[in-house]
Amino acid sequence: AQSVTQPDIHITVSEGASLELRCNYSYGATPYLFWYVQSPGQGLQLLLKYFSGDTLVQGIKGFEAEFKRSQSSFNLRKPSVHWSDAAEYFCAVGAKTSYDKVIFGPGTSLSVIP
Amino acid sequence: NAGVTQTPKFQVLKTGQSMTLQCAQDMNHEYMSWYRQDPGMGLRLIHYSVGAGITDQGEVPNGYNVSRSTTEDFPLRLLSAAPSQTSVYFCASTSRRGGTGELFFGEGSRLTVL
Repeated sequence: AQSVTQPDIHITVSEGASLELRCNYSYGATPYLFWYVQSPGQGLQLLLKYFSGDTLVQGIKGFEAEFKRSQSSFNLRKPSVHWSDAAEYFCAVGAKTSYDKVIFGPGTSLSVIP
Repeated sequence: NAGVTQTPKFQVLKTGQSMTLQCAQDMNHEYMSWYRQDPGMGLRLIHYSVGAGITDQGEVPNGYNVSRSTTEDFPLRLLSAAPSQTSVYFCASTSRRGGTGELFFGEGSRLTVL
């Protein structure tokens, strides 16, 4: 069965500092991997996705993520955080053979301090 | 562009009452799904559908019914609401035909069961 863990419930970083949010997944086949962001009171927006090919993927808002098959990880990174990046971040895994049953992790809440 | 539309945005129910959360999408997406979001739990998949007439259970289906009579609509029914169903509900859709796998989310429906 698919599962996703995000070890950090909450992270606080200073504006301008670098950011890394961790994601580990469990899936029997080659997965599709996603990062979504949710601003307070809003729906979810796709930041980036990995389907195949280059294991370092670029997304919107300056985010990137690296797929490491050996570690079953898909960590999200940003070199310099902006105050507007404060939000909830969700990692998700789906089946490569179809888009059925996309499963989400519990989320990491990001706070940004001046 | 309407995208994914959920109604109502807010609802208060008493224990034992029934209600239907409506979800409609105008993107001709085959795949539609319902998630519930609870603090610390992320998004958990309730039910999903890969096309009209086809539905399947997700991670937490108990207490919820769905049907898919048209491509556009995917209502979620609570037959006898319980306080444990207090949550924020999100409908999402995607295309399985040459799509990117990105889930498009509605704005959410906040349900309180007293």
